[in-house]
Amino acid sequence: DTAVSQTPKYLVTQMGNDKSIKCEQNLGHDTMYWYKQDSKKFLKIMFSYNNKELIINETVPNRFSPKSPDKAHLNLHINSLELGDSAVYFCASSQGGTAGNTIYFGEGSWLTVV
Amino acid sequence: AQTVTQSQPEMSVQEAETVTLSCTYDTSESDYYLFWYKQPPSRQMILVIRQEAYKQQNATENRFSVNFQKAAKSFSLKISDSQLGDAAMYFCAYRRSWETSGSRLTFGEGTQLTVNP
Repeated sequence: DTAVSQTPKYLVTQMGNDKSIKCEQNLGHDTMYWYKQDSKKFLKIMFSYNNKELIINETVPNRFSPKSPDKAHLNLHINSLELGDSAVYFCASSQGGTAGNTIYFGEGSWLTVV
Repeated sequence: AQTVTQSQPEMSVQEAETVTLSCTYDTSESDYYLFWYKQPPSRQMILVIRQEAYKQQNATENRFSVNFQKAAKSFSLKISDSQLGDAAMYFCAYRRSWETSGSRLTFGEGTQLTVNP
């Protein structure tokens, strides 16, 4: 069983569209994240949730809206997609309590905006 | 703000030989964690090794070991007996100790490792 699963894995869409990426973890973790990896492969955090509460909200356009219906799910909705949104988006999870706990990543969702 | 720097965009090594990937970081904190992640072409992010800053002993995981120099803020990764499957992008990452819930990983730019047969 995949620990952190995201769908879709690949997504090609036109500018201006709205799209969502779903993420689920079956590890029983209480903390989930979204990271963005740009074309130069630089990884940066976008959001994190702990027990469905938003903890980290980096400088991300308002067009990006995360939603956590429960501890095991963290979805990412993107409105009015732009060319610059093309990237690989990684969902991740960890158990809170200590920063040494491993952060487990999903396989990434490769978004291409044309 | 914490920053992580990997000064080697690309490295190559012959199969069965040893290679060292460099990482430096900047922080004003005394307690933190450091990690090396591997990203093969599949894009999966895989934890290779972790180091707690309060531990003086360098972490090891089979063929992977680190050289942690806290005063110099240096955290290099040594891969011994390199294998073809080690070819990947390697990311160094930093995480605060006190920001436990939802604490972020700050990544370096990555080092692309090629293993030559």
